[in-house]
Amino acid sequence: EVQLVESGGGLVQPGRSLKLSCAASGFTFSNYGMAWVRQAPTKGLEWVATISYDGSSTYYRDSVKGRFTISRDNAKSTLYLQMDSLRSEDTATYYCARSDPRDVMDAWGQGASVTVSS
Amino acid sequence: DIVLTQSPALAVSLGQRATISCKTNQNVDYYGNSYMHWYQQKPGQQPKLLIYLASNLASGIPARFSGRGSGTDFTLTIDPVEADDTATYYCQQSRNLWTFGGGTKLELK
Repeated sequence: EVQLVESGGGLVQPGRSLKLSCAASGFTFSNYGMAWVRQAPTKGLEWVATISYDGSSTYYRDSVKGRFTISRDNAKSTLYLQMDSLRSEDTATYYCARSDPRDVMDAWGQGASVTVSS
Repeated sequence: DIVLTQSPALAVSLGQRATISCKTNQNVDYYGNSYMHWYQQKPGQQPKLLIYLASNLASGIPARFSGRGSGTDFTLTIDPVEADDTATYYCQQSRNLWTFGGGTKLELK
């Protein structure tokens, strides 16, 4: 069974940093691209970042470029999102998702809550 | 950026057909595939893939769900609607990066 488990969320002050992790199991992690998608309270889904299966390519939405870094450790089957210079508008539940070769997000974690507030 | 537009809400009766639309401002077709996908999200839960590449049913999804469309116009149909289908449905494109529609909340009359 495919499982994605996010961790590392919490309350953080504006301007500070936070790092999310997503532990994957039940599939060959190194064969799949991975993505982060967020959802602000009462709002819709918003794609944040994607990384290729081998980590050689990364993609970001404009509003997080230069502040967020997506990375992966295939030996540990773990995806990361380093979030720096956090803003109140980054407050959201962050989901990690598996991205298949057709760029379809076919499996999702349960989400990690991030609140940016003083 | 590719923008996806969905109606905010739809109310249908049990056993009837629900049709949810998604329109894009750019063509999402590429080499014979339409890079449009549909997800269901229930309150407090993560999204779940329903339909991929416009019309393909994801694993474990009942045949009551179907998708069609190409280019810039797409629809998700649920027929017949069951009580468990009350949720928000999102379309998503992966033709050029990834973007989601605003979501359509399906409610029962």
